[in-house]
Amino acid sequence: EIVLTQSPATLSLSPGERATLSCRASQSVSSYLAWYQQKPGQAPRLLIYDASNRATGIPARFSGSGSGTDFTLTISSLEPEDFAVYYCQQRSNWPAYTFGQGTKLEIK
Amino acid sequence: QVQLVQSGAEVKKPGASVKVSCKASGYTFTSYYMHWVRQAPGQGLEWMGIINPSGGSTSYAQKFQGRVTMTRDTSTSTVYMELSSLRSEDTAVYYCAREWLGATTEAFDIWGQGTMVTVSS
Repeated sequence: EIVLTQSPATLSLSPGERATLSCRASQSVSSYLAWYQQKPGQAPRLLIYDASNRATGIPARFSGSGSGTDFTLTISSLEPEDFAVYYCQQRSNWPAYTFGQGTKLEIK
Repeated sequence: QVQLVQSGAEVKKPGASVKVSCKASGYTFTSYYMHWVRQAPGQGLEWMGIINPSGGSTSYAQKFQGRVTMTRDTSTSTVYMELSSLRSEDTAVYYCAREWLGATTEAFDIWGQGTMVTVSS
């Protein structure tokens, strides 16, 4: 089973700052990676698919990059509503999926 | 609009079964695979399995093999997830999620609101 490891576990930043979240796979997942945002009491929301494509309605400040085993989600300038938990997800062995353990982005 | 609406919260005793429903609307039900994902309190997301609403075929995570059954009713555009032999560790929010095909791979673009299942004696 492919394991996704996200880092850091918690990231403390201020509005306006740049956020860089990492997701590392235990073996190559090509570009079969997605990112989700989850706020307390809500279902996850798709942000990025195919490692670097923004989902419908997602602001341009969110961007994804990477391929193979190393992936990054970048938020260029944090807005107050961006503080949440972020998960990466892979499906290189469809139909099975796995998620990373999440990164909590909190207000400093 | 496209949405998935799940059934309400459940409280079950250890050893019992629970069946959660997920009703789809706003799109062609049989055109998209559906997944179930759960989240224990304060924990991350855990994939449970997939169902093809068109033919009804399923595939389950190894962890849940033998305990989970996913079914669908095309007449009502509803998928179901039944988990048996419940234990306290099954206490979680259960989500259904639609699988969508992007440029080269799939992702979960629409999620239900979640159903809290509490297992307690």
